[in-house]
Amino acid sequence: DAGVIQSPRHEVTEMGQEVTLRCKPISGHNSLFWYRQTMMRGLELLIYFNNNVPIDDSGMPEDRFSAKMPNASFSTLKIQPSEPRDSAVYFCASSPDGVSGNTIYFGEGSWLTVV
Amino acid sequence: GEDVEQSLFLSVREGDSSVINCTYTDSSSTYLYWYKQEPGAGLQLLTYIFSNMDMKQDQRLTVLLNKKDKHLSLRIADTQTGDSAIYFCAETLGTARQLTFGSGTQLTVLP
Repeated sequence: DAGVIQSPRHEVTEMGQEVTLRCKPISGHNSLFWYRQTMMRGLELLIYFNNNVPIDDSGMPEDRFSAKMPNASFSTLKIQPSEPRDSAVYFCASSPDGVSGNTIYFGEGSWLTVV
Repeated sequence: GEDVEQSLFLSVREGDSSVINCTYTDSSSTYLYWYKQEPGAGLQLLTYIFSNMDMKQDQRLTVLLNKKDKHLSLRIADTQTGDSAIYFCAETLGTARQLTFGSGTQLTVLP
C-alpha cells in the first residue's frame, strides 16, 4: 500500500523565493497534518485539516506560510517569501477517522534548506 | 498545558533490553504513541496504547503505561543494531487528533 507521499524530498532555495511542498495522503484518510522538525524546536504541528477543512492552524508561524487542501488527495504548504530560518524538515501525515484509533502515518518528509 | 518529556540519549549493548521512558503532564491524554525515526527518514509508527490500558505487547516491543505517575515506557527486547534510531513519545489529548511530541531519545546500540 502506498503511504503518505511527499514532494520534493529535498529542496535548496535562495532566500526570498517561493517554496511549495506537496502531499498526497493515504487514500481514505480524512485527516491531514503538516509538521515541521528542527533541532531547536523538535516536531511542531503547523496545521491540521479534517475532510479538507482547516481545523487548527495555530501553529502556522506567520503570514508567509499558507496551506491548502483542495481535495481529499492533495495538500500544499507554501512559504512565500522563504527565509533561512525556515530551513527544516516538513512532514505531512494522515489518519483515518473512526473508532479504531488515532493512528497517524507520516511521509518521508521534505528537507528544505533556504540559503 | 501539555508537555511530553524524554531523556535525550540511551546506549545499550546488542542483545540487551532497552527501556525508553517518557513522562507527560496532561491527564486528558487519550492515546500515547511511540514513533521511530532513522537518520534521514520519516517517522515510523511503532505502536500505540489507549489511555485505559496498562500494557501492550507486540513482538519485541512492550509498552507500559502508568497513568497515576503519567509515565510511559517502551521496552525493546533483544536490541539489535538496526534498532539504533531516535524514538519519539507522542500523545493526543481528548478528542483532538493532532499529536504532541516529546524531544526524542537517541538510542545507540553498541556491538
